[in-house]
Amino acid sequence: DAKTTQPTSMDCAEGRAANLPCNHSTISGNEYVYWYRQIHSQGPQYIIHGLKNNETNEMASLIITEDRKSSTLILPHATLRDTAVYYCIVRVSHTDKLIFGTGTRLQVFP
Amino acid sequence: EAQVTQNPRYLITVTGKKLTVTCSQNMNHEYMSWYRQDPGLGLRQIYYSMNVEVTDKGDVPEGYKVSRKEKRNFPLILESPSPNQTSLYFCASSLSRENLYGYTFGSGTRLTVV
Repeated sequence: DAKTTQPTSMDCAEGRAANLPCNHSTISGNEYVYWYRQIHSQGPQYIIHGLKNNETNEMASLIITEDRKSSTLILPHATLRDTAVYYCIVRVSHTDKLIFGTGTRLQVFP
Repeated sequence: EAQVTQNPRYLITVTGKKLTVTCSQNMNHEYMSWYRQDPGLGLRQIYYSMNVEVTDKGDVPEGYKVSRKEKRNFPLILESPSPNQTSLYFCASSLSRENLYGYTFGSGTRLTVV
């Protein structure tokens, strides 16, 4: 199963873009990259996912490198409510199994 | 509102006393799963179910049982709880094996076994 590597923590000023990196160098060609976040001890919340093209939705953008070995989640205008742990996850092929790592703790400050 | 509902939210119990944590989803999802979350270890999958009457072990199934008699419900059973099962538990569901929309998680159950 492909593993992901993320920085343990990051800071971001309110209103600025938050760029959260993720390495997944062993990802297979048909494995999707998912991003979730967990605010305090609530249930993780789906943000976005992608296979090889860049994706954007109302919450964030996902940039995947051409070789698919890394990706970046972009929160374009971070708010205090975006303070959370962000998980980059690779979905195991042909299953719905998501393997969570330890994530990046994003702190948005005023 | 589409959601996954877990009960109870908080539970303190004693070693060896059987308990059940319920999970119900109203989205007609085929796939359901249980995770536990412990400090420094992230979320680890306990059991999952691809559909009614189809269940399989995740990464940490020891000490747990599940059942999937109907599509909406996926209870987690601890026959003889032990202190090392003290944890934060999450139930999740998704549309299907071909799901492209991610999981929906419940609000969590914080279990303490003394």
